[in-house]
Amino acid sequence: NAGVTQTPKFQVLKTGQSMTLQCAQDMNHNSMYWYRQDPGMGLRLIYYSASEGTTDKGEVPNGYNVSRLNKREFSLRLESAAPSQTSVYFCASSEMGRGGDIYFGPGTRLLVL
Amino acid sequence: EDKVVQSPLSLVVHEGDTVTLNCSYEVTNFRSLLWYKQEKKAPTFLFMLTSSGIEKKSGRLSSILDKKELSSILNITATQTGDSAIYLCAVGIFISNFGNEKLTFGTGTRLTIIP
Repeated sequence: NAGVTQTPKFQVLKTGQSMTLQCAQDMNHNSMYWYRQDPGMGLRLIYYSASEGTTDKGEVPNGYNVSRLNKREFSLRLESAAPSQTSVYFCASSEMGRGGDIYFGPGTRLLVL
Repeated sequence: EDKVVQSPLSLVVHEGDTVTLNCSYEVTNFRSLLWYKQEKKAPTFLFMLTSSGIEKKSGRLSSILDKKELSSILNITATQTGDSAIYLCAVGIFISNFGNEKLTFGTGTRLTIIP
């Protein structure tokens, strides 16, 4: 099992460009999440998907959109990147949507110039 | 607004020392409190504490949940250089009738162990 995979690992964007961060899990988990981590801020929830076909906003959804393409995949899109979106992005999944069984991906480091 | 606060923000100790990391929370619909260790990449799970399991131990690490004080501590005894990491506390908050939770994280404690 690969667990949770994310692509790309690292990306540099110019302000105003768009991009999609990809996430996939092979554990047949129902729930998936996108977090961002900034220095001194901990991890903050951007969006989550409790089950296939549903998505909901987290703490910091502005400037992002998500798609739960199928049970395996949950993508995060930045339509018009801003320097404030420079961060490390983690995708995560869990079977029952319980905190104790969340698995994190390796992260995507995004730099917006 | 749900809030999780960790202290201290950073800690530097010598190998062999014992450390205590603190986490306090103020949330609605508390379900669980979790500790993670983060080295260079993704957080890795250490413990989950709930109303039915308020104390956990694994080797040199142990954690206690105090539901009355809305807080938790993570103890590490006989520290080693491999314990150097950011330790994250998170609270699982109930969000749906299906039993789903979302995690709200603290800012973390950066622990550095000097040989």
